[in-house]
Amino acid sequence: DAGVTQSPTHLIKTRGQHVTLRCSPISGHKSVSWYQQVLGQGPQFIFQYYEKEERGRGNFPDRFSARQFPNYSSELNVNALLLGDSALYLCASSSDRLLGGVEQFFGPGTRLTVL
Amino acid sequence: AQKITQTQPGMFVQEKEAVTLDCTYDTSDPSYGLFWYKQPSSGEMIFLIYQGSYDQQNATEGRYSLNFQKARKSANLVISASQLGDSAMYFCAMTGFNDYKLSFGAGTTVTVRA
Repeated sequence: DAGVTQSPTHLIKTRGQHVTLRCSPISGHKSVSWYQQVLGQGPQFIFQYYEKEERGRGNFPDRFSARQFPNYSSELNVNALLLGDSALYLCASSSDRLLGGVEQFFGPGTRLTVL
Repeated sequence: AQKITQTQPGMFVQEKEAVTLDCTYDTSDPSYGLFWYKQPSSGEMIFLIYQGSYDQQNATEGRYSLNFQKARKSANLVISASQLGDSAMYFCAMTGFNDYKLSFGAGTTVTVRA
């Protein structure tokens, strides 16, 4: 079975631009979460979507938005990019919304560089 | 809210030796789960091992074992018989049983020397 897939692998944007990152969960998984990992730090939670609805949001500005499609794939959108948005963006899928005892499977990530 | 602390930014270990990575946590949740992930330079987070707060025994998965001391709020990862392929960043993470997100520590870089 295919794991979590993300596209693109790498992306270079300039300040003020908009970016869309894509994620496909493991087949059968209805939960998709997005994390931002700045260089040298641990991942920080951005969003969780379950059954196409936003179920949780981390401490990120409104420039960050996401959505989940009927096939459970997801998009993360970031508007008005700042230099500080440069990071590895990780997508994770799981079989349930609540994570106690449930493993989250991570994708390979999208490396975003903002110049 | 959960907080994870990993105080070792980097460690060197000789091939075939064991290494212990420290992790302490703080939470107000009565039930929670603790995870360890490996992140090679490629960036993908690879699940290693899981420990539930009410599990009576320490978790083991092959060469990985988790030294869980609930009273001390610590969940140290032990890697036995280190291999060159174990060189990576290691993250400790946790979630409450009724939570929807993982909280990660800052990570520990492990370098295995031949």
